[in-house]
Amino acid sequence: QVQLLESGPGLVKLSETLSLTCTVSGGSIAGYYWGWIRQPPGRELEYIGYVHDTGTANDFNPSFTSRATVSLDMSRSRFSLRLTSATAADTAMYYCARLDKNGYYDHWGQGILVTVSS
Amino acid sequence: DIQMTQSPPSLSASVGDRVAITCRASQNINRYLNWYQQKPGKAPRLLIYLTSSLQSGVPSRFSGGGSGTDFTLTISSLQPEDFATYYCQLSYPTHTFGQGTKLDIK
Repeated sequence: QVQLLESGPGLVKLSETLSLTCTVSGGSIAGYYWGWIRQPPGRELEYIGYVHDTGTANDFNPSFTSRATVSLDMSRSRFSLRLTSATAADTAMYYCARLDKNGYYDHWGQGILVTVSS
Repeated sequence: DIQMTQSPPSLSASVGDRVAITCRASQNINRYLNWYQQKPGKAPRLLIYLTSSLQSGVPSRFSGGGSGTDFTLTISSLQPEDFATYYCQLSYPTHTFGQGTKLDIK
């Protein structure tokens, strides 16, 4: 059974870069797409972006295009999210997930809460 | 951008009820629509993909339908564990989520 686990700092300072990692276990990272979704407190899910294991397919929510990067480390079975110029509006639970080629997220991490504050 | 609008935003129902949640896309999305269930403090769980395909392990009381711009998630007979928030999600060309429908006990 594929399992995903997010890791990273729970507190990020305003204007700095938010960096998270998702480690995949119980299955191969190869041949799949991998994505990030976030959820501000008390609000709905918000799609951030995804990457294919080849790195050739990549898509972002237009709201994040200029600030977000998603990358893969195949050797360590993990992928990462970098979100630059963090603001208080980036405070959220961040989820990593496996994305099927048909566009649905079938395996999710437990989530990690990130607070952006001065 | 394609907008996804769910209705109702909240819904009260009783165990045993049949309930339906609607998701409307701002333009034709064929059948590129998925549904998730989320309980408080938990990650979302995939229920239905590509409009009507039931994810492995999901009870058959959940079903999905629709095409084009209008889609429905139906729970045929509510069970206590079904009280949660439900989200629709666009599969293509991007992955926009609906605003969610909170289903609680009447």
